Amino acid sequence: AQSVTQLDSHVSVSEGTPVLLRCNYSSSYSPSLFWYVQHPNKGLQLLLKYTSAATLVKGINGFEAEFKKSETSFHLTKPSAHMSDAAEYFCVVSDPGTASKLTFGTGTRLQVTL
Amino acid sequence: GAGVSQSPSNKVTEKGKDVELRCDPISGHTALYWYRQSLGQGLEFLIYFQGNSAPDKSGLPSDRFSAERTGGSVSTLTIQRTQQEDSAVYLCASSLFPGGGQPQHFGDGTRLSIL
Repeated sequence: AQSVTQLDSHVSVSEGTPVLLRCNYSSSYSPSLFWYVQHPNKGLQLLLKYTSAATLVKGINGFEAEFKKSETSFHLTKPSAHMSDAAEYFCVVSDPGTASKLTFGTGTRLQVTL
Repeated sequence: GAGVSQSPSNKVTEKGKDVELRCDPISGHTALYWYRQSLGQGLEFLIYFQGNSAPDKSGLPSDRFSAERTGGSVSTLTIQRTQQEDSAVYLCASSLFPGGGQPQHFGDGTRLSIL
């Protein structure tokens, strides 16, 4: 069975400082991993994905994530936060054996302050 | 449009009524998914379509929930005899084809409120 744990339910950073959103996964196979962002009253937007190619994945809006198999982690980072980054972020896992459903973490709410 | 379209965006109905939620996926996407997002439960998978068939219905919470897809395109999620615990945001997603590596593209959801 696959699962995802987002270690922080809420993260607050100042604008211009780095962002770190933590995610650990559990999977029986070599998983595909995703980060999605959800702004209020909107659907989920794909930030980036890992599918067994390069372990450092670059996404949109300056975000990137590193797949570390030894630590079963897939943390999301950004060098400098912007006010528009304030949203809910979801770490998501999909096993190749399950051609369908995604398993979502519980989400991390990112607050960006001036 | 280029994205996944869901309607209505908001639905308020009385307990016991039936509701239909519609999803129009990205053109050419063969796989379509329904999820439910509610406080306390997070995001839950409901059902997945490949073409017009539903190989995985494991997330449907009860037999009051059903879904169909026609023409390999539009899908409708139907909830019969709605209950207050059905209140949630229902999200639809589509992908080019099913599989762990394919990203799913989401609509903005239907916010369902049961009075």
